Amino acid sequence: GDSVTQMEGPVTLSEEAFLTINCTYTATGYPSLFWYVQYPGEGLQLLLKATKADDKGSNKGFEATYRKETTSFHLEKGSVQVSDSAVYFCALSPDILSGGSYIPTFGRGTSLIVHP
Amino acid sequence: DTEVTQTPKHLVMGMTNKKSLKCEQHMGHRAMYWYKQKAKKPPELMFVYSYEKLSINESVPSRFSPECPNSSLLNLHLHALQPEDSALYLCASSQDKGDRVGNEQFFGPGTRLTVL
Repeated sequence: GDSVTQMEGPVTLSEEAFLTINCTYTATGYPSLFWYVQYPGEGLQLLLKATKADDKGSNKGFEATYRKETTSFHLEKGSVQVSDSAVYFCALSPDILSGGSYIPTFGRGTSLIVHP
Repeated sequence: DTEVTQTPKHLVMGMTNKKSLKCEQHMGHRAMYWYKQKAKKPPELMFVYSYEKLSINESVPSRFSPECPNSSLLNLHLHALQPEDSALYLCASSQDKGDRVGNEQFFGPGTRLTVL
C-alpha cells in the first residue's frame, strides 16, 4: 500500500535558519504530493502541492520539488520565522488510474519549533 | 468561499450522551471526509463521502454514525462513546472530478471532543 515517511521531530531552529524537512513516499504510478501545516489548536492547511514529476510547489517562502527518481518531496525554507512554528505533514493523493484508491496518506508529521 | 466550517469547536460529553458534529462547505466539493486526530499524531481517516454516498468506512465502531444530508453538509452522530474517543475531529472536503489524481483537501478547524 501507499506510505509516506517523514523525518522525526521536533526540529528546533533559531530564527532566520535554513529549514529542511525530509519526506519520501511509496506509491504506484504518479500520485499528487502535498505539504500541510497545522498551527496549534487549528485544522490542517494546505501549504503547497505538486502533481507531476519535477513540479516545484511554493508558498510563503516554502518550496518542495517532486522527485520521481528518488520518490521524495522535501520541504525547504531559506529563513524561518517564529511564526513558522507548527506541525508539518507530508501527504500523497493516489494515482487513481494506476490502481490507487481515493484514500489520501499522511506522514507522521514533523514538529518545527523556531526560537527568536 | 474557500472555507470549511465545523461546529461546535469544543464538546464535552458523557458516555451515555448522544451528540452530533456538523461540517459545512460551499465550494462545490463532492468529496467530504471525517478524520480523527490524537495529539501529536497524523489525522486518521474515518469516513469518505463521494457525491453524498458513503464510499469508504475505515472499520470505524458503530458508535460513530456519519450522515451526508446534501452536498454541502456532513454530520457525525455520536452515541455511547468511550473516553479513548476523546480527540480532535476534523472534517475535510475536496473536488472529485474523476481526474487521474486526487485533489488537495480543505480542512475545517476541528471539534475538540472530550468524553468523560
